[in-house]
Amino acid sequence: DAKTTQPPSMDCAEGRAANLPCNHSTISGNEYVYWYRQIHSQGPQYIIHGLKNNETNEMASLIITEDRKSSTLILPHATLRDTAVYYCIVGGNDYKLSFGAGTTVTVRA
Amino acid sequence: SQTIHQWPATLVQPVGSPLSLECTVEGTSNPNLYWYRQAAGRGLQLLFYSVGIGQISSEVPQNLSASRPQDRQFILSSKKLLLSDSGFYLCAWSPARGPSSRPQHFGDGTRLSIL
Repeated sequence: DAKTTQPPSMDCAEGRAANLPCNHSTISGNEYVYWYRQIHSQGPQYIIHGLKNNETNEMASLIITEDRKSSTLILPHATLRDTAVYYCIVGGNDYKLSFGAGTTVTVRA
Repeated sequence: SQTIHQWPATLVQPVGSPLSLECTVEGTSNPNLYWYRQAAGRGLQLLFYSVGIGQISSEVPQNLSASRPQDRQFILSSKKLLLSDSGFYLCAWSPARGPSSRPQHFGDGTRLSIL
């Protein structure tokens, strides 16, 4: 029972912004949107999360639509080290994060 | 700052042998702890989670078990491994207190191969 839909893959040019979309049309009122990424053979790395408002930290920005049915993760200046699988996850406070297939992002020089 | 340690990083075991993977967290108290498994080319599957010493919730019935003998120690075990137990095992933690949006933070994982 996938809660999110992401494109399977996308390419991005080094130095440019990478915009990663995610649809979560069945999100409920108390569920947050989390983004993680997984570089090959490593554990997932937490990036950012949000509920309603847009969020920004040192790694990325998260834009959530007003109806909360979709969001976009923005990597402002992609580098080769940002090549990874990016997971968009919807979860509440029931301890369970369901990881789907994610988006494989390839940053090209 | 908080850190999470998993070991070993890689493990090769014969079918039918026992298993013990260990995870410890430093720099926090009473964390929530999690075990996930990732099969090759697949997403992560939550296996167990724990909100306190001796409190284990199982998400998937299987021949694996988990224990939490100490506040910041989480162990994944099996008495007899199956070929299907191969995969990448990840431990994670999250703060027990604070806003409900507490994100989970992952270790570097153990890559388990069953022969």
